[in-house]
Amino acid sequence: EVQLVESGGGLVRPGGSLRLSCAASDFALTTYHMNWVRQAPGKGPEWISYISSSGATIIYAESVKGRFTITRDSAKNSLYLQMNSLRVEDTAVYYCAREVGYDANANYHVYYDYWGRGTLVTVSS
Amino acid sequence: QSVLTQPPSVSGAPGQRVTISCTGSTSNIGADYDVHWYRQLPGTAPQLLIYGNNNRPSGVPDRFSASKSGSSASLAISGLQAEDEADYYCQSSDSSLGGNVVFGGGTKLTVL
Repeated sequence: EVQLVESGGGLVRPGGSLRLSCAASDFALTTYHMNWVRQAPGKGPEWISYISSSGATIIYAESVKGRFTITRDSAKNSLYLQMNSLRVEDTAVYYCAREVGYDANANYHVYYDYWGRGTLVTVSS
Repeated sequence: QSVLTQPPSVSGAPGQRVTISCTGSTSNIGADYDVHWYRQLPGTAPQLLIYGNNNRPSGVPDRFSASKSGSSASLAISGLQAEDEADYYCQSSDSSLGGNVVFGGGTKLTVL
């Protein structure tokens, strides 16, 4: 059964850093595009980062660009999110999500078929 | 402020049918990007409910259906059951954001 398990969340001061991990099982990260999606308390999800199956393409949302870094370790079949210069507004549950993409109507469409249970990041002084 | 707009809440009695709207714009749903729907039970991760506008993953009952028209989409739940009480989110992509994924702000469904 496909599973994604996040870890590494916690309480951190503004300006601090955290490294989140996402361990995947029952599929290889090198065969799927992967994403980090966060959800602030009481809000809808927000996509923040993407890494292609090959690892060659990495994309960030403007809200985290220059502060967050997505990486993966194929040997450990794990995805990571290094978060630096954290702000109060980064407080959220962070999920890793497996992407399914397809072409139709001259567009490339994306949805997430598996999500982890999430890890809570709280940025507060 | 979410790119896709959903009503904050809807409610219905057991057995009834409810619909949840998702309003976008000409750069996302109106630009012919497909709409996908997720259900989120309290304290859990979002779970895929509908993909590609109106397709159900295996295991999702046919009480759940969805449609898309113009710059809007809607999710319909018929034969409401107590376990349907959850938050529901629509998701698409947006050409003004380089095709990046966008979500709605979510709709809380209450089963009366």
